[in-house]
Amino acid sequence: GEDVEQSLFLSVREGDSSVINCTYTDSSSTYLYWYKQEPGAGLQLLTYIFSNMDMKQDQRLTVLLNKKDKHLSLRIADTQTGDSAIYFCAERVAGNTPLVFGKGTRLSVIA
Amino acid sequence: NAGVTQTPKFQVLKTGQSMTLQCAQDMNHNSMYWYRQDPGMGLRLIYYSASEGTTDKGEVPNGYNVSRLNKREFSLRLESAAPSQTSVYFCASSAGAGAVQFFGPGTRLTVL
Repeated sequence: GEDVEQSLFLSVREGDSSVINCTYTDSSSTYLYWYKQEPGAGLQLLTYIFSNMDMKQDQRLTVLLNKKDKHLSLRIADTQTGDSAIYFCAERVAGNTPLVFGKGTRLSVIA
Repeated sequence: NAGVTQTPKFQVLKTGQSMTLQCAQDMNHNSMYWYRQDPGMGLRLIYYSASEGTTDKGEVPNGYNVSRLNKREFSLRLESAAPSQTSVYFCASSAGAGAVQFFGPGTRLTVL
């Protein structure tokens, strides 16, 4: 079955690193995505990783994928107040079906 | 490119009223989606259209109807609004049904 799990809340201090975790259940996932939703806005694609990769780095963002444990994480280095948002993990499974989204993790950055 | 646009941005309805939420995309995408977002529930898929001329139910289709008017436009209709349909509604589109999705800014609907 398809299910994506995320913790609902995370609070960090400005300048610290944030790590947002996600677990998924479908071993046939091909791509895994992170979306960011700022207050009052729609979801924006932040980054993605292909299932045959272990890690992807993009400036302050690092995505780690443990395919054996079906665990995905998003690390934000030097977290800023502008990073306060809801972060959604999503998986693309095999076939012609829509992405499966987690419920989202609300990141609060304390100045 | 405007990406995905939604109208209206805000709407207040009384119970039993009907309305249509509009969505359009200018990315020549084949697939379009309607979601609702409620606190603690994440995004829930209402309906999607994998390609022009097709529509499929998602997780929470009851109380809604959709129309894929053409490749660009996908509308969501509430025939008889209920307070339980108070939510934020997002439209999204993608090149294909399993591809990365691009979202509109949302419609905030309140049903009294």
